[in-house]
Amino acid sequence: GPKVLQIPSHQIIDMGQMVTLNCDPVSNHLYFYWYKQILGQQMEFLVNFYNGKVMEKSKLFKDQFSVERPDGSYFTLKIQPTALEDSAVYFCASSMTGWNTLYFGAGTRLSVL
Amino acid sequence: GDSVTQKEGLVTLTEGLPVMLNCTYQTIYSNAFLFWYVHYLNESPRLLLKSSTDNKRTEHQGFHATLHKSSSSFHLQKSSAQLSDSALYYCALSDRGEGADRLTFGKGTQLIIQP
Repeated sequence: GPKVLQIPSHQIIDMGQMVTLNCDPVSNHLYFYWYKQILGQQMEFLVNFYNGKVMEKSKLFKDQFSVERPDGSYFTLKIQPTALEDSAVYFCASSMTGWNTLYFGAGTRLSVL
Repeated sequence: GDSVTQKEGLVTLTEGLPVMLNCTYQTIYSNAFLFWYVHYLNESPRLLLKSSTDNKRTEHQGFHATLHKSSSSFHLQKSSAQLSDSALYYCALSDRGEGADRLTFGKGTQLIIQP
């Protein structure tokens, strides 16, 4: 079936540095999402993105977070600067329309030291 | 805000026995969509079932669930567990937020099937 690829699978970074998480969504999908999962807790919605713009974001989407998908390349989540509480697994997802099945990537485990 | 409760964190069963994973939810929206996602280790979470129709059974790959709006429940069931069913199962709710789906997930139930 359709696959969403996330690169890298694990990233270790020092607190205060910048990190970019990359997502290669399903090729004909138009809506893109990031979810955050802290160890032992549920996956939580961060942001959705369509037509080059953030459509909706949660309170977890701090000012230090930004998303973009320049010219149909990777859909990225950038955190600058990182904080200890940003340590989590970040899942990218995409869908054809806003109301279709979400396809998830396998996640990027971010460890902030 | 919306919430999803999966009261069992871990369910361990013997192969061949029936499976029932509980899911209840809270939302103020009447047009809620409910989902079950299955997450195998080192893979991507993938959709197993979804429903927005009250009292209608939805089936896929041997699993079934019925949305009951009166009790705000969407329990996942299977008549006979297989070893390959061992995985993490998430129940999720969408209130169809502005413009696109925004899923609220439960904490997940780890299902372990033993021989």
